[in-house]
Amino acid sequence: QSVLTQPPSVSAAPGQKVTISCSGSSSNIGNNYVSWYQQLPGTAPKLLIYENNKRPSGIPDRFSGSKSGTSATLGITGLQTGDEADYYCGTWDSSLSAHVVFGGGTKLTVL
Amino acid sequence: EVQLVESGGGLVKPGGSLRLSCAASGFTFSSYSMNWVRQAPGKGLEWVSSISSSSSYIYYADSVKGRFTISRDNAKNSLYLQMNSLRAEDTAVYYCARDFSNLGFDIWGQGTMVTVSS
Repeated sequence: QSVLTQPPSVSAAPGQKVTISCSGSSSNIGNNYVSWYQQLPGTAPKLLIYENNKRPSGIPDRFSGSKSGTSATLGITGLQTGDEADYYCGTWDSSLSAHVVFGGGTKLTVL
Repeated sequence: EVQLVESGGGLVKPGGSLRLSCAASGFTFSSYSMNWVRQAPGKGLEWVSSISSSSSYIYYADSVKGRFTISRDNAKNSLYLQMNSLRAEDTAVYYCARDFSNLGFDIWGQGTMVTVSS
């Protein structure tokens, strides 16, 4: 049971837009930066978004991040078949035992 | 080229020990906090441990606290994870990852598989 809640799966057609939500609490998302990762099958995760809405060099602007209160959202526009992957949100949790937490992951299917 | 390369994984019996290593190259290793993240087969990402650039701050997931020890050698550009009292539930691919900025893990290794089984 992850501290951060993500939908298990989302799907959309090529060219369309999709959003993936990440819900937490005041001890994590509400007071800390959120990052987003893409994991293609059989590969290591790749950073897509850091500090809520910043993209590392090389990440196309089709990927965007936002945060409001205790929730964060990853948006992907102009979907491509190559975007089919697992997506994870992550942040710091400053509850009893300070630690990094990840969402359970969302499988994106590009139909 | 900026990269992280893990090693040290393998098959170990329950209760056994293993030491993972992560060799960094292509960047100033001593300037970054580093992390271990694991992924059990077919499961999601689970953060294991973090260590600050000068080893002043160290954090562990509750699931490994008291059994695992993270360390680093900035002179050797290396990160380590000493794993003791291993359990079946520790079976996973273990990744080392660089903390680029505020827990944005921008560089990941290829992962090393740890299997705990009798």
